[in-house]
Amino acid sequence: EPEVTQTPSHQVTQMGQEVILRCVPISNHLYFYWYRQILGQKVEFLVSFYNNEISEKSEIFDDQFSVERPDGSNFTLKIRSTKLEDSAMYFCASSVDSLNTGELFFGEGSRLTVL
Amino acid sequence: AQRVTQPEKLLSVFKGAPVELKCNYSYSGSPELFWYVQYSRQRLQLLLRHISRESIKGFTADLNKGETSFHLKKPFAQEEDSAMYYCALSGLGGSGAGSYQLTFGKGTKLSVIP
Repeated sequence: EPEVTQTPSHQVTQMGQEVILRCVPISNHLYFYWYRQILGQKVEFLVSFYNNEISEKSEIFDDQFSVERPDGSNFTLKIRSTKLEDSAMYFCASSVDSLNTGELFFGEGSRLTVL
Repeated sequence: AQRVTQPEKLLSVFKGAPVELKCNYSYSGSPELFWYVQYSRQRLQLLLRHISRESIKGFTADLNKGETSFHLKKPFAQEEDSAMYYCALSGLGGSGAGSYQLTFGKGTKLSVIP
């Protein structure tokens, strides 16, 4: 069964460093997402991406964040200058269609630890 | 603004006992409600959605618009039901178009005692 895959599974970085989290969505899916979950808190929406552009983003997704689909298969989340509060589990997800008609498929997550 | 509330952080029940995981929501429009589940060391996955009105693994959930609730129920809990359960909401866009973001509750950890 096709799955969303994410790398790395765990990354430790120093505050102020740039981080890139990578995701390979399911191949026939058209919509891609990033969510995050700070330890002990709820899963929060960051951004959705369709047709090579951002379709929706949350208040969390500020100028420090960017997303890209550089080669038609990978979907990346970049954090330009990490802060301590960026420490979280980051989930990539994909769907065939909108959430009202489609299902969201999640990756296993990338744990980011900012020191 | 969309909000999902799951009042219980942890729910422990004995095997064979009924289970009800509570979920209340706040949304001014017409929402789509979902339950996602995360078993130990596995990824988040869809359990069921209100629009399909189906029973998955013995679980059902009814959308009650009057009470703004979408509680998850199962008449007889099994040990393999132990997991983290998240209620989630997706609102329709302004033109009635599909939405692309889910608002999650904080989750309820269900522990089924043998």
